[in-house]
Amino acid sequence: RKEVEQDPGPFNVPEGATVAFNCTYSNSASQSFFWYRQDCRKEPKLLMSVYSSGNEDGRFTAQLNRASQYISLLIRDSKLSDSATYLCVVNTYQGGKLIFGQGTELSVKP
Amino acid sequence: DAGVTQSPTHLIKTRGQHVTLRCSPISGHKSVSWYQQVLGQGPQFIFQYYEKEERGRGNFPDRFSARQFPNYSSELNVNALLLGDSALYLCASSFQTGTGETQYFGPGTRLLVL
Repeated sequence: RKEVEQDPGPFNVPEGATVAFNCTYSNSASQSFFWYRQDCRKEPKLLMSVYSSGNEDGRFTAQLNRASQYISLLIRDSKLSDSATYLCVVNTYQGGKLIFGQGTELSVKP
Repeated sequence: DAGVTQSPTHLIKTRGQHVTLRCSPISGHKSVSWYQQVLGQGPQFIFQYYEKEERGRGNFPDRFSARQFPNYSSELNVNALLLGDSALYLCASSFQTGTGETQYFGPGTRLLVL
């Protein structure tokens, strides 16, 4: 079983749609959680950290459920520029080893 | 301020050869991590260095090695290249090594092994 699992997609949605990505992690000792965005042939960039209380940044909302070991990302009012691969990332161990899911591809169409 | 820089951007090698990839972290960052990303997958952790010491190692063979220099830049070395080593190699820097530290990625080195 993979340590971090995501639906690979692709998710094809029209502009203005709301889209939700889900992610599960296997290690209950996981301590930090992130969503990264990766554009085609580019490096991953931090989108947002994820906290147990949930957090919002503009059109983006992230939620963490530690009991279910589940992380989500909600994107409201999708823009063409949101088209990218979204990576669910967990940090379980002391130190900086990030464990990535395989990524979920999003394509927003006009 | 400059972000994480990596060189070269692209590289083509043949099986059995050796390769050295280089990374310069963001100014003030003392930790460098290396990741391998094959097509269609998320990045996989290879190494982390902090203050010139190895702080973590992923599940990669001994053909992979790395080091960090006094100026915090880093090199990743891969010996006896295999076709399966073809990937995007990403370097990430952070100020320290804590689990909550944000890691900032460089543009990567695309390695093709023929």
